[in-house]
Amino acid sequence: NAGVTQTPKFQVLKTGQSMTLQCAQDMNHNSMYWYRQDPGMGLRLIYYSASEGTTDKGEVPNGYNVSRLNKREFSLRLESAAPSQTSVYFCASSVSAPQYNEQFFGPGTRLTVL
Amino acid sequence: GNSVTQMEGPVTLSEEAFLTINCTYTATGYPSLFWYVQYPGEGLQLLLKATKADDKGSNKGFEATYRKETTSFHLEKGSVQVSDSAVYFCAFLSGGYQKVTFGTGTKLQVIP
Repeated sequence: NAGVTQTPKFQVLKTGQSMTLQCAQDMNHNSMYWYRQDPGMGLRLIYYSASEGTTDKGEVPNGYNVSRLNKREFSLRLESAAPSQTSVYFCASSVSAPQYNEQFFGPGTRLTVL
Repeated sequence: GNSVTQMEGPVTLSEEAFLTINCTYTATGYPSLFWYVQYPGEGLQLLLKATKADDKGSNKGFEATYRKETTSFHLEKGSVQVSDSAVYFCAFLSGGYQKVTFGTGTKLQVIP
């Protein structure tokens, strides 16, 4: 039982390049999330997927797109990376709504955009 | 709007010292409150939670009580260990998936 896995662990991009961050969970959870973590700002929700087949914007969705490929996988895409997207990205999952269900986090992807 | 205020770190304590990390929140309604811990190089893990006023969450010797009258959820531990060194995040969830609000985190360093 691996929990929540993320790839890659580290990535360096040049401004304007694109990439996709991958996330998978093996806990049969319905809900999945993407956060970014920046110094002095805590975690901010980018996008979430309440259940397979649905996605919704969070607090800071601009510059990102997501795909809930199936129940296990939830990817985050940067179409044209900008230095402001330099951050640590965390994927998380939960059984359902987070009010009563613990969110399980992946180990993170550290992204630098030059 | 919704917000969480945590005491700024880093907090440096000697082993066996008493720990308090303050957390206050501003939210509408009746949020659920959480403390998450992040060990170096890892993702966040739920430490404890409380879902209604006066509830006390506890885990691994840590405790926090949901105080609605002061909108606070302070984290405490009576005797910290070196292994408690980590970043601690206060968070609350109110009204749905979009209402997930994390504090900025407080780094704790425990020295032998």
